[in-house]
Amino acid sequence: DTGVSQNPRHKITKRGQNVTFRCDPISEHNRLYWYRQTLGQGPEFLTYFQNEAQLEKSRLLSDRFSAERPKGSFSTLEIQRTEQGDSAMYLCASSSRSSGSYEQYFGPGTRLTVT
Amino acid sequence: KQEVTQIPAALSVPEGENLVLNCSFTDSAIYNLQWFRQDPGKGLTSLLLIQSSQREQTSGRLNASLDKSSGRSTLYIAASQPGDSATYLCAVTSGNTGKLIFGQGTTLQVKP
Repeated sequence: DTGVSQNPRHKITKRGQNVTFRCDPISEHNRLYWYRQTLGQGPEFLTYFQNEAQLEKSRLLSDRFSAERPKGSFSTLEIQRTEQGDSAMYLCASSSRSSGSYEQYFGPGTRLTVT
Repeated sequence: KQEVTQIPAALSVPEGENLVLNCSFTDSAIYNLQWFRQDPGKGLTSLLLIQSSQREQTSGRLNASLDKSSGRSTLYIAASQPGDSATYLCAVTSGNTGKLIFGQGTTLQVKP
């Protein structure tokens, strides 16, 4: 257990429905990242927060995706009008500056299946 | 654009063997490099982090090296055990954001 939690762990939804995932980072970590991983591939960066500010978004993050981190604590990732291509593992990671590095600690992931 | 490649994609070895996993990256201007382990259907566990100013890091039976100038890193696993069976991912960060760019991973099977 890295200390990063994600809920739900699994989500099955029908195409066209909206889904929301939650990530609770390690409490003292100011940076929070979302990644997406499809079967047999390495994770791909989606977006990044420093405290409550969303500082970078990947081009993978279409306008159907939105992420928030109110008050710089937990974060949510919402997908509107889900498509089958959204089926993947969604991973959250957090980090802070310690010993000169920003080592990232990952949560267990939320596996999304769109039917 | 930074690209990370891991070779081989899959590896099967008998228990007790020493092995090396390879990772290469195209842009040597990295901030750090992390090796992760991923068990099927699970999240990522950080194994080792090497900062750009370092050449290697060790943890137990694991040793990771970094050669920035050639764009390469290796993960050495000594005396492999069946419990080491997993996918090993290499990732680099560059710039201020700290976002990780991952390779596709090497899936390791250690046979008893």
